Order: sequence, then C-alpha cells, then structure tokens
Amino acid sequence: GAVVSQHPSWVICKSGTSVKIECRSLDFQATTMFWYRQFPKQSLMLMATSNEGSKATYEQGVEKDKFLINHASLTLSTLTVTSAHPEDSSFYICSALPQNQPQHFGDGTRLSIL
Amino acid sequence: GEDVEQSLFLSVREGDSSVINCTYTDSSSTYLYWYKQEPGAGLQLLTYIFSNMDMKQDQRLTVLLNKKDKHLSLRIADTQTGDSAIYFCAGNSGAGSYQLTFGKGTKLSVIP
Repeated sequence: GAVVSQHPSWVICKSGTSVKIECRSLDFQATTMFWYRQFPKQSLMLMATSNEGSKATYEQGVEKDKFLINHASLTLSTLTVTSAHPEDSSFYICSALPQNQPQHFGDGTRLSIL
Repeated sequence: GEDVEQSLFLSVREGDSSVINCTYTDSSSTYLYWYKQEPGAGLQLLTYIFSNMDMKQDQRLTVLLNKKDKHLSLRIADTQTGDSAIYFCAGNSGAGSYQLTFGKGTKLSVIP
C-alpha cells in the first residue's frame, strides 16, 4: 500500500514554456504532500509543502510565482514550472504523507529545458 | 534545524555486510529513516526507527540508533549487486514535524 504516482517521468521542452507535473496518491488520501528538487549527485531540497484546500508553504528562496502548486483534491497535487528556463532543469520528486506513516515518494520527473 | 551527515561513498564485495553511518543534530527528531534511491528513480522507504528504540531488524536490514551520540547506522547483511544505490538517512525536523531533513546520501557500490 501507500503508492505515489508521479507523471510525467521525463519531459523535454523549450525555454519559456510552462510545465505541469502531477503527483497522485493511488491508494490513500493525502492532505499533505511535499515537492523536492534534486540536483545531480546531491541530496533532496524541499521546495514546498502542499496542503489540500489551502495555499502551499514555500521554503526560503523558492519563488512561489515560478513554482505554482495546487492541491485541489486529497489525492492530487500539481507543480507547474512557469516560463521554464535551462536553470530550472532538474529532477523533481514529490512525496505524500499517509496517515500514521512516513513520507512515500513518487518516482520523480526529470525536467530538461532546452 | 536538523543537520544530517553521511559519508559519501561505500564499496563492498558481494556477500559481505555493508554498514552505512549517519549522524544528526536534532535530538527531538521522533523518527529516523533510511531511504534507497536507484539511478533515475524516486526514493524507496527501506525502514525507520522510533527514537526510543535502540535497534530494529527487518530481514537483511538492521538499524542501530545511539541516541546519546546522535548516531544512526544501517547494516545490510549479505549485500547483493541489486543493493547498489544511494542511501539517504533522514530525520523529521523536530518533534511533531512531518518535514524531513536528508543527508547527502551514501553511494553504495557492490563489487561482484
């Protein structure tokens, strides 16, 4: 149980476009989800905490207008990278918090901006 | 806040035991976790330990917690080539917090 699905797994797009990444909890409801960014050979950096039905809480240094988070249902949170540029290229990972369990992670999305 | 440190690399021969070490700073962390990341993939929860426990064993995995020294270790018995991955130690960022602070990860290489 506690499966988290992330889509797409890999996306390549042109500079200036916006990209939406979905994070779904498949067999549980998650009022809280998290979005992380991981640079090559580095650890995970928490970007924001996504709360169902309310605004996301962003970590210091993360631009909320750049990285839009929507958590409109108990099983889906989305991260939209707006007007993406090459420096936004990275591996983005989401996690969800089942009740009384640790965070469970999606398989990540590799974003490449040309 | 929490700070988590790990050695970056470990190389072992297939069949040997692997021990990955981690130190943390926040003594109020309620749980400590071990996650595994294979290339190009997300994180897989391996095991976790409650802060009032000293040891937890789950098949080939043994977690040891020394709360006094704020030291956590993960032992993998009979290490296999499929265990080659990056292993992250993580602690929740203070009692009652759901947020995790991760170490930089230890890359385990298993030599056939």
